[in-house]
Amino acid sequence: NAGVTQTPKFQVLKTGQSMTLQCAQDMNHEYMSWYRQDPGMGLRLIHYSVGAGITDQGEVPNGYNVSRSTTEDFPLRLLSAAPSQTSVYFCASSYSDRGRLHFGNGTRLTVT
Amino acid sequence: GQQVMQIPQYQHVQEGEDFTTYCNSSTTLSNIQWYKQRPGGHPVFLIQLVKSGEVKKQKRLTFQFGEAKKNSSLHITATQTTDVGTYFCAGVYYGGSQGNLIFGKGTKLSVKP
Repeated sequence: NAGVTQTPKFQVLKTGQSMTLQCAQDMNHEYMSWYRQDPGMGLRLIHYSVGAGITDQGEVPNGYNVSRSTTEDFPLRLLSAAPSQTSVYFCASSYSDRGRLHFGNGTRLTVT
Repeated sequence: GQQVMQIPQYQHVQEGEDFTTYCNSSTTLSNIQWYKQRPGGHPVFLIQLVKSGEVKKQKRLTFQFGEAKKNSSLHITATQTTDVGTYFCAGVYYGGSQGNLIFGKGTKLSVKP
C-alpha cells in the first residue's frame, strides 16, 4: 500500500516552460487535492476533486490546470511557469469530504 | 473569506518545557483537524475533533475543541526533541467539501536540548 505518490520530487523550470506534476493514490479515495506551501503562508489549496470527472478551484488556482480522468490519478499542470510558482507542492487525498488528508511527499519546484 | 488564525507563528522552548498552539475561526466549524510536519517532510494527520468541548489525548499531546466550535488548541507536555516541526490546524466549515478545509499558517516549534 503506497498511499499517495507524487513525482517528481524536485524540478527546475525556466520561465514559460510547462510541466505536469503527477499524483496517484491507491486507497480508492474519492477526494483529492493540490496544495502549495510557501514560507509563512501555510498550505494553500490550488484545485481539488470530489471524484472522477469533477474538479473545482481552490484559493490560488491561477496558472494551474487539473483533470481527474480516473479515481487514482490527479495531475497538476503548470501552463507557463512563472517565478511566483516556485514552491513546494503537495498532493493529498481523503476518503470523505471532511476526513483526514493523506499527503504525498511533495514536489519542490523552482522556476528561474 | 473564511480564515483560521493560528498563533504563535514560532515557539522556541527548552526540552522539558510545555508548548501550546491556538487556532481561532470567526465562524463555527464542523470539525477541526491537526497535522504535524517535520522539517523537510509532509504534513501528517494527528487527530480530528468533532464535538463541542471535545478533549482528546495522545500520550503527551492534548487537543481541545472549544464549546462554540470556533477555537482549538494543541498542548504538548514536557517537550522532547522529537516534537520539533510545524503544527497546523485545519478547519472544516459547515456546508463545504474538501475545498472548505482551511489551514492555519502553522506554528513552528523548535526544541533546545
